[in-house]
Amino acid sequence: QVQLVQSGAEVKKPGSSVKVSCKASGGTFRNDAISWVRQASGQGLEWMGGIIPVFSTTNYAQKFQGRVTITADKSTITAYMELTSLRSEDTAVYYCARGMYYYGSGSYGLRHWGQGTLVTVSS
Amino acid sequence: NFILTQPHSVSESPGKTVTISCTRSSGSIASNYVHWYQQRPGSSPTTIIFEDNQRPSGVPDRFSGSIDSSSNSASLTISGLKTEDEAGYYCQSFDASNGIFGGGTKLTVL
Repeated sequence: QVQLVQSGAEVKKPGSSVKVSCKASGGTFRNDAISWVRQASGQGLEWMGGIIPVFSTTNYAQKFQGRVTITADKSTITAYMELTSLRSEDTAVYYCARGMYYYGSGSYGLRHWGQGTLVTVSS
Repeated sequence: NFILTQPHSVSESPGKTVTISCTRSSGSIASNYVHWYQQRPGSSPTTIIFEDNQRPSGVPDRFSGSIDSSSNSASLTISGLKTEDEAGYYCQSFDASNGIFGGGTKLTVL
């Protein structure tokens, strides 16, 4: 059973950064990809970006380009999402999701989801 | 980028069948897989349909997915509705390595 365990809730000041981790079970990333998706309270889902750990290749949504960095540590089977220059609008639950990478279309599968990490940005 | 449009809410009675649409604004619905997620309040999303019409193990066959090129849309159909199906449902696809979600549909089973 694929499991993704995320780090705990964070409270951050505006202008600071946050780094959320996502540890996968199963011994290896294999050829899977990891995406990060966020959801503000009462709102819909928003894809932020993803990584193919075996190649360390990343893709970022245009909205977050320059503010988000997604990395993966193959030795610990852990992915990370760092978001900088935080503002109140970044208050949300952040999810990691794991699935196939579709090479033909350059798209990510989000088959298995983590439990979510609440990031609160407040002065 | 295209957008995926879903109805904001739908409601139906237990035992009935409901279909949730997901219409792509531009480009072909068939050019990238469509996936569907269920999200109950306070929980993470879970995959109920992947690759247009595939069901993960453990998802009941009451859930089915399809795409229709004539209407450029994808559909999620839930038959034999149960009160436990009451949740939010999101469709999702990709465009040039950029993930796109529909706005979500709140299903009420009453």
